[in-house]
Amino acid sequence: GAVVSQHPSWVICKSGTSVKIECRSLDFQATTMFWYRQFPKQSLMLMATSNEGSKATYEQGVEKDKFLINHASLTLSTLTVTSAHPEDSSFYICSARDAGKEDGGYTFGSGTRLTVV
Amino acid sequence: AQSVTQPDIHITVSEGASLELRCNYSYGATPYLFWYVQSPGQGLQLLLKYFSGDTLVQGIKGFEAEFKRSQSSFNLRKPSVHWSDAAEYFCAVDSYNNNDMRFGAGTRLTVKP
Repeated sequence: GAVVSQHPSWVICKSGTSVKIECRSLDFQATTMFWYRQFPKQSLMLMATSNEGSKATYEQGVEKDKFLINHASLTLSTLTVTSAHPEDSSFYICSARDAGKEDGGYTFGSGTRLTVV
Repeated sequence: AQSVTQPDIHITVSEGASLELRCNYSYGATPYLFWYVQSPGQGLQLLLKYFSGDTLVQGIKGFEAEFKRSQSSFNLRKPSVHWSDAAEYFCAVDSYNNNDMRFGAGTRLTVKP
């Protein structure tokens, strides 16, 4: 079945530095990828939707200059948290949609635990 | 925009007992509905989904869900819960063409031995 690989699975960084998270669709082409943020014991909140070759669409309240999303190919999207601060610590999950599937074809990555110290 | 409500934040059941997790959605058209399960620190695994056709949907791990348009509900059920079912369960709704999946707040399931 469809697999989405997300790396790293966890990362610790110093405040003020930037962190890049990768999301790859391994066996299908993902025309659309989604980035979610999940705080402890809470639901997934959609941050942005990215389509290959175009600018990401950010949800209201999400700082696009802080959370840079690049979807340069049909199999790779990256989320860069710039100038990270402790309040950015969270669990970030990507999902990729296989547009070739009639049933929506959403597949989720295993998530990235970001801790900013 | 569509939205999802999971009324139960936390449910505890005994192993072997039946389970029903509630999900209500709000959407103007026929929604695409999903149930996902998440173990601690992990991503989401799809249990089942509904797009059209038979309103009783069978999923993995013995789960099923029933779409009831009149009640705007998509409740998840399992006849006999196993200890390994303890996890967080999320209901989600999507308007397929809009690429706009939204999640409920989640229900944490605890299984007593």
